[in-house]
Amino acid sequence: EVQLLESGGGLVQPGGSLRLSCAASGFTFSSYAMNWVRQAPGKGLEWVSGISGRGGTTDYADSVRGRFTISRDNSKDTLYLEMNSLRADDTAVYYCAKVNNGVYYSYVDLWGPGTLVTVST
Amino acid sequence: DIVLTQSPDSLAVSLGERATINCKSSHTLLYRSNNKNHLAWYRQKPGQPPELLFYWASTRESGVPDRFTGSGSGTDFTLTISSLQAEDAAVYYCQQHYGSPPTFGQGTKVEIK
Repeated sequence: EVQLLESGGGLVQPGGSLRLSCAASGFTFSSYAMNWVRQAPGKGLEWVSGISGRGGTTDYADSVRGRFTISRDNSKDTLYLEMNSLRADDTAVYYCAKVNNGVYYSYVDLWGPGTLVTVST
Repeated sequence: DIVLTQSPDSLAVSLGERATINCKSSHTLLYRSNNKNHLAWYRQKPGQPPELLFYWASTRESGVPDRFTGSGSGTDFTLTISSLQAEDAAVYYCQQHYGSPPTFGQGTKVEIK
């Protein structure tokens, strides 16, 4: 079955760090770009970061640039998001998202169920 | 960044009636090299992740019912639900896949009247 499954979310204090993982299955992971997209409570969708199939190209939203790092391990079919210097406005459900081809800003044809990150004291 | 503005923000439609959602882009989404409009539509039901409905503005994703239609070109696009069903109560988002960063509209909430 083609699926994505995120893990690593939770409660963290402002200024803290968290690492999200996304395990992919059912497709050739290395052939597709991947994204992280987040959704704050009651709000819309916000693209966070994207990475090409082989990992050579990455990009970030201005709101997270310099604090978040996207990476992937194609030998483990896993996508990561390292989040540092977390702020209250980073609180959101984080979705792992598979793009339909190798270009990270293309459309998403598969979403994970999401993992909730809460930044609070 | 390309800004997508959806209208209306919300609408209430009776079962079996038509629902129309608009998405206006601040930049053309028509890519001259392939003559395609780089716009996607998603539906997000409560408590679930989004699901893809259309890409290239009007290409229906496999499994999407034909009561859904995507149309438009350039900077103006429309998602139409011809006969609203109970399971269509959701928030609908457009997304441009023309350039980086990929951006989403603010969403349109469709409720059953």
